[in-house]
Amino acid sequence: KNQVEQSPQSLIILEGKNCTLQCNYTVSPFSNLRWYKQDTGRGPVSLTIMTFSENTKSNGRYTATLDADTKQSSLHITASQLSDSASYICVVTWDTDKLIFGTGTRLQVFP
Amino acid sequence: IAGITQAPTSQILAAGRRMTLRCTQDMRHNAMYWYRQDLGLGLRLIHYSNTAGTTGKGEVPDGYSVSRANTDDFPLTLASAVPSQTSVYFCASRMNRENNSPLHFGNGTRLTVT
Repeated sequence: KNQVEQSPQSLIILEGKNCTLQCNYTVSPFSNLRWYKQDTGRGPVSLTIMTFSENTKSNGRYTATLDADTKQSSLHITASQLSDSASYICVVTWDTDKLIFGTGTRLQVFP
Repeated sequence: IAGITQAPTSQILAAGRRMTLRCTQDMRHNAMYWYRQDLGLGLRLIHYSNTAGTTGKGEVPDGYSVSRANTDDFPLTLASAVPSQTSVYFCASRMNRENNSPLHFGNGTRLTVT
């Protein structure tokens, strides 16, 4: 069964600290993996996309990794800011155009 | 600003009533989607449209219907609302269903069915 699992479910960190969010998937055939950020009361917004051949990609303080062999991805946030408080959703595309959403990690950054 | 507009922002609805959630995009995207988001569950696809004039069923289509008369609009109708349809509904779009472009989401409609 195609699944996307994210961990942890929730995370609390202090401003300025780093954190890493995990996404494991059992999806075939894999097309790509995308991370979205969802602020409270808003729709998700794309942060980055990882294709099969990419291992690492950065978008400012966000760095995504992909290990296609172990079917794992991570999202690393460096020097967290209060505005990073949000839910982060991992979405895997399979069979060209079908999407599976993870349940998300809720991150809270405190001063 | 280009994007997706959903209306209403929130609604309280009595069970058995009919309700249409509106969604409009100005990006000329071909593919549009309706999702519901419930606590502890990932976004689940209700219905989709790959291009104007066509629609398809997603993972949880029962109790919902859609239409796609033109490129910009993709309304979602609940014919007879039930309490299990209490949720946050997101409309999304992307240029085409096959490419790697991201989904663009509206800010959602929070629906409570009493």
